[in-house]
Amino acid sequence: EAGVAQSPRYKIIEKRQSVAFWCNPISGHATLYWYQQILGQGPKLLIQFQNNGVVDDSQLPKDRFSAERLKGVDSTLKIQPAKLEDSAVYLCASSWGQFYGYTFGSGTRLTVV
Amino acid sequence: KQEVTQIPAALSVPEGENLVLNCSFTDSAIYNLQWFRQDPGKGLTSLLLIQSSQREQTSGRLNASLDKSSGRSTLYIAASQPGDSATYLCAVTDTEYGNKLVFGAGTILRVKS
Repeated sequence: EAGVAQSPRYKIIEKRQSVAFWCNPISGHATLYWYQQILGQGPKLLIQFQNNGVVDDSQLPKDRFSAERLKGVDSTLKIQPAKLEDSAVYLCASSWGQFYGYTFGSGTRLTVV
Repeated sequence: KQEVTQIPAALSVPEGENLVLNCSFTDSAIYNLQWFRQDPGKGLTSLLLIQSSQREQTSGRLNASLDKSSGRSTLYIAASQPGDSATYLCAVTDTEYGNKLVFGAGTILRVKS
């Protein structure tokens, strides 16, 4: 089966600009996750979708971050405006549902200058 | 709040050595524990998944154990090879909010030839 696709692979923006990341999960996977991984740290969950509904967004900085999952398939994560501390790798993962194994994408490396 | 700690933060060993990576977690109410491998610039690859009712899992030269009551897991790598060089991440599935993975910061492993 095809893996989790993410784009772009790399992005460099200036602070206060906006940026969007895209994720296409494995076909049929109902659950989709966005994680943020800051250099030297483990990934931290930003938001979890079950189909197109939000299960957990407790750690999403909602004043600047937003995410949506269209028709329960693809997802986009947006940052507006970006701050220097948003520099990180943004990982998308999907699974068949709660308590199934995850498959991670290769991530998008964001640098805010 | 679940917290995951990994020791050591970094490890450098000569090729052929057997080694142990440690992971501890603060809340024993987990659904499962996973060990992941992350190569530079890449996403996460799942190595082993241990359900909360299991004590260990093995895959090739890798063996992971779980002591849920004490909040500990170890990853044992036998006969290490330079290709094992990567960051190893431990993560537990937090049962409070569905299938949410909580990660440690990882152990950076370097195997010298």
